[in-house]
Amino acid sequence: QSALTQPRSVSGSPGQSVTISCTGTSSDVGGYNYVSWYQQHPGKAPKLMIYDVSKRPSGVPDRFSGSKSGSTASLTISGLQAEDEADYYCCSYAGGYTFYVFGTGTKVTVL
Amino acid sequence: EVQLVESGGGLIQPGGSLRLSCAASGFTVSSNYMNWVRQAPGKGLEWVSVIYSGGSTYYADSVKGRFTISRDNSKNTLYLQMNSLRAEDTAVYYCASVQGSTTSPFDIWGQGTMVTVSS
Repeated sequence: QSALTQPRSVSGSPGQSVTISCTGTSSDVGGYNYVSWYQQHPGKAPKLMIYDVSKRPSGVPDRFSGSKSGSTASLTISGLQAEDEADYYCCSYAGGYTFYVFGTGTKVTVL
Repeated sequence: EVQLVESGGGLIQPGGSLRLSCAASGFTVSSNYMNWVRQAPGKGLEWVSVIYSGGSTYYADSVKGRFTISRDNSKNTLYLQMNSLRAEDTAVYYCASVQGSTTSPFDIWGQGTMVTVSS
């Protein structure tokens, strides 16, 4: 099972919006509505930001939103803030004995 | 407070063995789907293994036959026994909990423990 494809980096100025794509196949992203997104600051553990494509855990700002079309999922950060600068990883349930496949990761830079 | 704390990482020679531990507090490991996820230096996340609440275990192809996931319910602790280690196993190893079902997200993560395989 190959990693899901994400852009290497995206950037935006404070207050702007950025969108990160996550492209998979019909065996993972396209086959299930179980895509999650994780934020990881340098040297820290990942933190769940979005699950089940578009649901936000308690405590995650509503600036973070998720969506999916076909085999591509997306994470949008609206009203970008300095603390949003981090690496972001998507993850999809892949069924069978593969279970979970992660994305390649995207570095978000706040200009 | 809900928390996972890993330990047991270190420097090990190729072909060697190491056992990682992940102590849980604030919840019961046997009630959740407990996973190991690793991250090689400068690289992305890779799912390694899962143990179901019922005890079934599953592995990524890259570690199958070399790694064994287990838990001690009395100690509320998750383990990863790693044998025949290779240079490509060098990574930070995180334990992560999934609640509810295998389709649920990784909602609790430990801080990670570094494993370096090198001569």
